[in-house]
Amino acid sequence: GAVVSQHPSRVICKSGTSVKIECRSLDFQATTMFWYRQFPKQSLMLMATSNEGSKATYEQGVEKDKFLINHASLTLSTLTVTSAHPEDSSFYICSARGETGGAWYNEQFFGPGTRLTVL
Amino acid sequence: KNEVEQSPQNLTAQEGEFITINCSYSVGISALHWLQQHPGGGIVSLFMLSSGKKKHGRLIATINIQEKHSSLHITASHPRDSAVYICAVTRDNTDKLIFGTGTRLQVFP
Repeated sequence: GAVVSQHPSRVICKSGTSVKIECRSLDFQATTMFWYRQFPKQSLMLMATSNEGSKATYEQGVEKDKFLINHASLTLSTLTVTSAHPEDSSFYICSARGETGGAWYNEQFFGPGTRLTVL
Repeated sequence: KNEVEQSPQNLTAQEGEFITINCSYSVGISALHWLQQHPGGGIVSLFMLSSGKKKHGRLIATINIQEKHSSLHITASHPRDSAVYICAVTRDNTDKLIFGTGTRLQVFP
């Protein structure tokens, strides 16, 4: 199956700093990427959907100026948490959907996640 | 009421037991997904279904579109199956996933 990587897997930062999380599709072209966050023992919550070359579409209640998403290429999307605060501490997961060799992947492939801790 | 409901929320089993996790949904869907999340957090997609039944190794997933219900079965369960199993649906005319709250499975030796 298709592989999605995330970097870093874990990050600890001070309040007020910005943190960038990368999501890469390793063996397929990700035309659409999704960003989720997950609080402990809760389900995933969709934050935004990004299509390559377009602005991301944010879910209601998600601040687009705080969570900057860039999907500049078919294999890379980034999520930048700006001016991070302790309440931004969470598990962030990306997923990707796209195609390779003419085969279209209608399902989403998930990255391993990034655990962000803001002190 | 959640659009995707799973049961049970928690499940413990002895190694070798047959396990069933249920998922009901209340919206029109184009596909249903079963995902597995290990303690480290990474998520693996197990199945994507739009009808019938799929089997992969010891895992079997079924869906009944009329009843809006799906089941995930694990045969001959093993401690390495311990994880959170999440049901998610792709709602009609969107590409967004709606997630159930997950079923936490622990299989003891």
